[in-house]
Amino acid sequence: GAGVSQSPRYKVAKRGQDVALRCDPISGHVSLFWYQQALGQGPEFLTYFQNEAQLDKSGLPSDRFFAERPEGSVSTLKIQRTQQEDSAVYLCASSLIPGTPGNTIYFGEGSWLTVV
Amino acid sequence: AQSVTQLDSHVSVSEGTPVLLRCNYSSSYSPSLFWYVQHPNKGLQLLLKYTSAATLVKGINGFEAEFKKSETSFHLTKPSAHMSDAAEYFCVVSERSGGYQKVTFGTGTKLQVIP
Repeated sequence: GAGVSQSPRYKVAKRGQDVALRCDPISGHVSLFWYQQALGQGPEFLTYFQNEAQLDKSGLPSDRFFAERPEGSVSTLKIQRTQQEDSAVYLCASSLIPGTPGNTIYFGEGSWLTVV
Repeated sequence: AQSVTQLDSHVSVSEGTPVLLRCNYSSSYSPSLFWYVQHPNKGLQLLLKYTSAATLVKGINGFEAEFKKSETSFHLTKPSAHMSDAAEYFCVVSERSGGYQKVTFGTGTKLQVIP
């Protein structure tokens, strides 16, 4: 597609519910990133994929968070047993060439998660 | 380890006056630096980037930024603010780490433009 696409755009979950957030990166982009942006804050790194390999998951806040990219394109971020502190915008981003600091990273519009 | 400090959380300017959004960075290596803009309920859009070529970088919508290694700064400027510039701006540092592009965001500066 023309840009990074995320779904759902908005999700309201009851506390304890599991949620799955989908990201469709730009076609052919090798690198895929997930970020969490709390209200009034800058995006915080969650995890990074290079093709299907998850090379860095150091930013995942707990073992309730899980991400996958099984075929090296679409990625899913799953949050189990959601808590109120999980309420945030989850941003997906992709870039073409891994390992190059000057690569432009393209962001989706985000999935807004509210846990009630 | 890399980090970014955006010195002002809020900046307010009158329409038609200059804009200055300040950013300082810390990086172990030769970083690349970016400015992104985020309008309400929208995704992040790239304004401009520095990748070790010209130190004065021109971006979209009349914005530019100057990389100053001696001051570890990458401030964003625009000669004349427009109402449509009201948004949140993020300074971003990127370096190669562990074989991939490690990207760190600043905490953001909210720009208000007064008519």
